[in-house]
Amino acid sequence: EPEVTQTPSHQVTQMGQEVILRCVPISNHLYFYWYRQILGQKVEFLVSFYNNEISEKSEIFDDQFSVERPDGSNFTLKIRSTKLEDSAMYFCASSGLAGVGEQFFGPGTRLTVL
Amino acid sequence: ILNVEQSPQSLHVQEGDSTNFTCSFPSSNFYALHWYRWETAKSPEALFVMTLNGDEKKKGRISATLNTKEGYSYLYIKGSQPEDSATYLCAFLNNAGNMLTFGGGTRLMVKP
Repeated sequence: EPEVTQTPSHQVTQMGQEVILRCVPISNHLYFYWYRQILGQKVEFLVSFYNNEISEKSEIFDDQFSVERPDGSNFTLKIRSTKLEDSAMYFCASSGLAGVGEQFFGPGTRLTVL
Repeated sequence: ILNVEQSPQSLHVQEGDSTNFTCSFPSSNFYALHWYRWETAKSPEALFVMTLNGDEKKKGRISATLNTKEGYSYLYIKGSQPEDSATYLCAFLNNAGNMLTFGGGTRLMVKP
């Protein structure tokens, strides 16, 4: 069964460093998403991506964040200069349909900013 | 800011018990409600996507209902099994776009 994969599973970084989180969505899906969950809080939407551009982003997704689909398979989230409060579990998801389409989630990357 | 709430936060039941929990969401600008099942150390897994008022969906022993006019959805599990132990998340989508707003989840623990 096809699945969404994410690498690395755990990333530790120093405050101020850049990190890139990688995702491989399901191959025939067209819509891609990033979410995060800070420990003890709700899952939060960051950004959705379709047709090689951002279709929607939340207030969290400021200029420090960017997304890219550099080739036909990878979908990346870059945080330019990490802050302590960026420590969270980051989930990638993909779907074949917008809105009413089931989203398929990856296993997440735990980002720890020291 | 959209408010999506789930209750209870956690629930302990015995194997064989039937149980249900609630997701409440804004009743205006409704587009869809998603339910996900999230086992520890695994990825959230889609259960249902519901769009119409009065919708009822079923997958095995799990079913869900939707009331968009009053802004709530119920998830039911009939004859709970230990493998049903997980966090159940609902997520609201309004007709403004693609942003899913999640509730805090209901953590279900089923004791054998």
